[in-house]
Amino acid sequence: DTAVSQTPKYLVTQMGNDKSIKCEQNLGHDTMYWYKQDSKKFLKIMFSYNNKELIINETVPNRFSPKSPDKAHLNLHINSLELGDSAVYFCASSQEIGASGTDTQYFGPGTRLTVL
Amino acid sequence: DAKTTQPTSMDCAEGRAANLPCNHSTISGNEYVYWYRQIHSQGPQYIIHGLKNNETNEMASLIITEDRKSSTLILPHATLRDTAVYYCIVIGGNKLVFGAGTILRVKS
Repeated sequence: DTAVSQTPKYLVTQMGNDKSIKCEQNLGHDTMYWYKQDSKKFLKIMFSYNNKELIINETVPNRFSPKSPDKAHLNLHINSLELGDSAVYFCASSQEIGASGTDTQYFGPGTRLTVL
Repeated sequence: DAKTTQPTSMDCAEGRAANLPCNHSTISGNEYVYWYRQIHSQGPQYIIHGLKNNETNEMASLIITEDRKSSTLILPHATLRDTAVYYCIVIGGNKLVFGAGTILRVKS
């Protein structure tokens, strides 16, 4: 009954390949996110979707394309992988922003991507 | 950029209270203070949050100063499993900005 799940947990691939990471949440939340944690351990937001609509898009290369088939899923597709894409990618979800102005985010276990 | 300042690391004896400070001198009136932690190789875990008042839940207590420029996360009885990086985050929307956090080492 994992709340936020990601697949795969580990992904090793060659430079230039295209790969996808999947995320699913069973919390009934309306908003989902992708974060990247690089080798220096800083966590940075990449994208946010609310009810299948993109609401946050940080300065991420357009090789990265999030896709939300429904509000329980937010997948991350990466084209033409580069060495610098090696990192741990975390998915998260939260209820829609309420009157209080914010809401708690719940994170998945992460996907460790290694580009060779 | 993160709006908070935290010590790089702290040690705590097992069974004792762990007090983790955070400075957020530029916090706005509608911004909340959130605490998350990240245990090695896992996703960040929500701990607690607050706006003005002190808060307590089953994991921790959050003490926010009256001027809201700083706060302290208290783990009342630290265990070895509490060893992690603790992030203090100020947020007024849904965009979490993580800083470097505090590495808390609980030692037996």
